[in-house]
Amino acid sequence: GQQVMQIPQYQHVQEGEDFTTYCNSSTTLSNIQWYKQRPGGHPVFLIQLVKSGEVKKQKRLTFRFGEAKKNSSLHITATQTTDVGTYFCAGKINAGGTSYGKLTFGQGTILTVHP
Amino acid sequence: DTGVSQDPRHKITKRGQNVTFRCDPISEHNRLYWYRQTLGQGPEFLTYFQNEAQLEKSRLLSDRFSAERPKGSFSTLEIQRTEQGDSAMYLCASSSMVNTEAFFGQGTRLTVV
Repeated sequence: GQQVMQIPQYQHVQEGEDFTTYCNSSTTLSNIQWYKQRPGGHPVFLIQLVKSGEVKKQKRLTFRFGEAKKNSSLHITATQTTDVGTYFCAGKINAGGTSYGKLTFGQGTILTVHP
Repeated sequence: DTGVSQDPRHKITKRGQNVTFRCDPISEHNRLYWYRQTLGQGPEFLTYFQNEAQLEKSRLLSDRFSAERPKGSFSTLEIQRTEQGDSAMYLCASSSMVNTEAFFGQGTRLTVV
């Protein structure tokens, strides 16, 4: 079945350092979404990427979707303590022109930021 | 609208008992999803409704699990004859047809003892 792998599992950084998490799918995706989950909280939508090679920015966050639509990355510049949480990518497959409803989540990358 | 709400927030049950969870999605959303999340893992897809129709169900889902969305609004997830392995956070999410971002509820944390 479809799998979405995410690395690294953990990342500890000093405040001000950059952070990147990578996401790889075993199948081509129709789109990919990124979510953030704070400790004890629920996943909160960050962004959706649809086009091959797409790059989107949200302030210090940069999201990329690979040319083959099978991988993606999230880069945070100059991390802050408010960036702490688990970052998940979630892919939606597109088989035969049909966009299936479900999202397949990666395992997540837990980010801790030391002040 | 206050977003996706789930009830109860916590449930402790004895092994073998049945439990039922409720999800109220954002009112204008016709897509509703159930996910299960265990510690250190990403949400795992369970099932998906578009209006009242259950369009997808995970092949990993045991026959002990059943979900309904009878009027295309709220949904219930029932687990029969609970097992300790069912202990997890059960998350409900909803989205619209146009904008597919999923809005998650706070979840129901199930503990089977």
